[in-house]
Amino acid sequence: DAGVIQSPRHEVTEMGQEVTLRCKPISGHDYLFWYRQTMMRGLELLIYFNNNVPIDDSGMPEDRFSAKMPNASFSTLKIQPSEPRDSAVYFCASSQVRDSQYNEQFFGPGTRLTVL
Amino acid sequence: KNEVEQSPQNLTAQEGEFITINCSYSVGISALHWLQQHPGGGIVSLFMLSSGKKKHGRLIATINIQEKHSSLHITASHPRDSAVYICAVQTSGSRLTFGEGTQLTVNP
Repeated sequence: DAGVIQSPRHEVTEMGQEVTLRCKPISGHDYLFWYRQTMMRGLELLIYFNNNVPIDDSGMPEDRFSAKMPNASFSTLKIQPSEPRDSAVYFCASSQVRDSQYNEQFFGPGTRLTVL
Repeated sequence: KNEVEQSPQNLTAQEGEFITINCSYSVGISALHWLQQHPGGGIVSLFMLSSGKKKHGRLIATINIQEKHSSLHITASHPRDSAVYICAVQTSGSRLTFGEGTQLTVNP
């Protein structure tokens, strides 16, 4: 398997523009996570899905952020409108539950977002 | 006070030294994760544990649930171990809360 795939790897945009980040989880994984990493706040969970259903979105900063998972192999994180303080590295990760046990999370390479 | 505290924040060692990184947490957890973030930014899961001890190669992770404390040990450290090591606790469901990370530099 290719692992978790994220696109784009780098995104530079201007304040006010819409940004869409994409993630393809590992096939067969039933959990998908979106994280944000900044120097000031470190790694933070934004939202996670189980079987395509959002379970916990308490980390989503505000209404400008939205995430969807239309099927088991694709998720998007959208920021509209973007602001300079959204500049960060956004990671997607996936995992699976086997025998009712949680397992390790596999991280994608991240998308480095810069909002000017 | 953060829910997850790591120490030290920075650690410099000579090749071959035994290294310990500590993680303390203040909440009830279902599991604790140790992650490694390479200089290029990629994140790799090293361990996930809910009790006792796990070993993988030169890496050992232990957890004491009663004391809410975990340690990551690296034996015979090598320059390629230089990375940021992050402790994360799994609380409700699959939610992870992260420590600030420990920057490890191993000099040849």
